[in-house]
Amino acid sequence: DAGVIQSPRHEVTEMGQEVTLRCKPISGHDYLFWYRQTMMRGLELLIYFNNNVPIDDSGMPEDRFSAKMPNASFSTLKIQPSEPRDSAVYFCASNGPGAGNTIYFGEGSWLTVV
Amino acid sequence: QQQVKQSPQSLIVQKGGISIINCAYENTAFDYFPWYQQFPGKGPALLIAIRPDVSEKKEGRFTISFNKSAKQFSLHIMDSQPGDSATYFCAASRSFGNEKLTFGTGTRLTIIP
Repeated sequence: DAGVIQSPRHEVTEMGQEVTLRCKPISGHDYLFWYRQTMMRGLELLIYFNNNVPIDDSGMPEDRFSAKMPNASFSTLKIQPSEPRDSAVYFCASNGPGAGNTIYFGEGSWLTVV
Repeated sequence: QQQVKQSPQSLIVQKGGISIINCAYENTAFDYFPWYQQFPGKGPALLIAIRPDVSEKKEGRFTISFNKSAKQFSLHIMDSQPGDSATYFCAASRSFGNEKLTFGTGTRLTIIP
């Protein structure tokens, strides 16, 4: 399997612009997680889905952040409008049958908001 | 609050030495404790994990020591190598299955020749 695939790998955008990050989980996995990593706060869970349904979005920082999972093979994390403090690495991860407790991370989307 | 406290924030160890990273948790319902390794520009990847029914788990040069009464666990890297230089995260979760992981803040490990 190709693993968890994220796009874009790098994005630089201006404050106020909309940002959409994309994720393709490992085929067959039914859990999908969005994490944010910063130097100050480490790895933070933003939201996770089970069978395409959002289970816990308590980590989503503000209404500017939204996430969707329209089908089992695709999820998006959207920030609108973006702010400089949203600059971080955003990771998507997945887990499912056969994976035990292991969460498999993508390589991340590096977001810079200027 | 479900927190996992990790220390030190950074660590420099000479090649061949022992690297030790410590974590402490608060929620006694946690029963799965993994360590993740992250190289620059990559996502974290599972390194080794332990459940509280054992006090130690060893995989090659990597060992987790677990102290249930103290609610602490640690990662020991024996014979540390430059290739071990990475950021290490401890984590904890409740129950078997896919309960969300709570991560520590990470330790940046540097192995020097």
